Amino acid sequence: AQSVTQLDSQVPVFEEAPVELRCNYSSSVSVYLFWYVQYPNQGLQLLLKYLSGSTLVKGINGFEAEFNKSQTSFHLRKPSVHISDTAEYFCAVQGRGTYKYIFGTGTRLKVLA
Amino acid sequence: NAGVTQTPKFRILKIGQSMTLQCTQDMNHNYMYWYRQDPGMGLKLIYYSVGAGITDKGEVPNGYNVSRSTTEDFPLRLELAAPSQTSVYFCAGGGTSTDTQYFGPGTRLTVL
Repeated sequence: AQSVTQLDSQVPVFEEAPVELRCNYSSSVSVYLFWYVQYPNQGLQLLLKYLSGSTLVKGINGFEAEFNKSQTSFHLRKPSVHISDTAEYFCAVQGRGTYKYIFGTGTRLKVLA
Repeated sequence: NAGVTQTPKFRILKIGQSMTLQCTQDMNHNYMYWYRQDPGMGLKLIYYSVGAGITDKGEVPNGYNVSRSTTEDFPLRLELAAPSQTSVYFCAGGGTSTDTQYFGPGTRLTVL
């Protein structure tokens, strides 16, 4: 079975500052990893995903994440945030050979002017 | 393409009533999913389907049923609604199990 932990429920950050949203997972099998973003009153949209290959994954809107197998982490980063990045961010894991995603509890990013 | 659409957007039910949440996609996704989202709890998988005629339980299936008679439609049925089923429900579709999941706009359900 897989599980996901998002360590921070809320992260306030000033505009143009860097941000890191943390995600740790556990799994007895190899995994695929995903970050989704949810803007208010909307469904989720994919930011980026790691399936295999390079451990540094670049996504939309300037976000990137690094897969660290030894630390079982997949932290999301952005070097300079905008007000429009204010949203909730979800990390998700899928065990290879399964069809199910397991989502974390989410991190609410609040970008301050 | 409309993508993944859900109806209704909002619904209030009384305890013990039943209803069906509709989900339709026009992207020819094989994989479809139903999630519920509760505050501070993230998304929990209720049921999923890997193709027409094939469905399976997720993490929290109790109190729900699904069917997948066509590729396009994946309705979620609530029988005997309970206050614990108050939540926001999202339907999603994807081409493969590792493909991007495309989410619908959600249905906000309140059971009183």
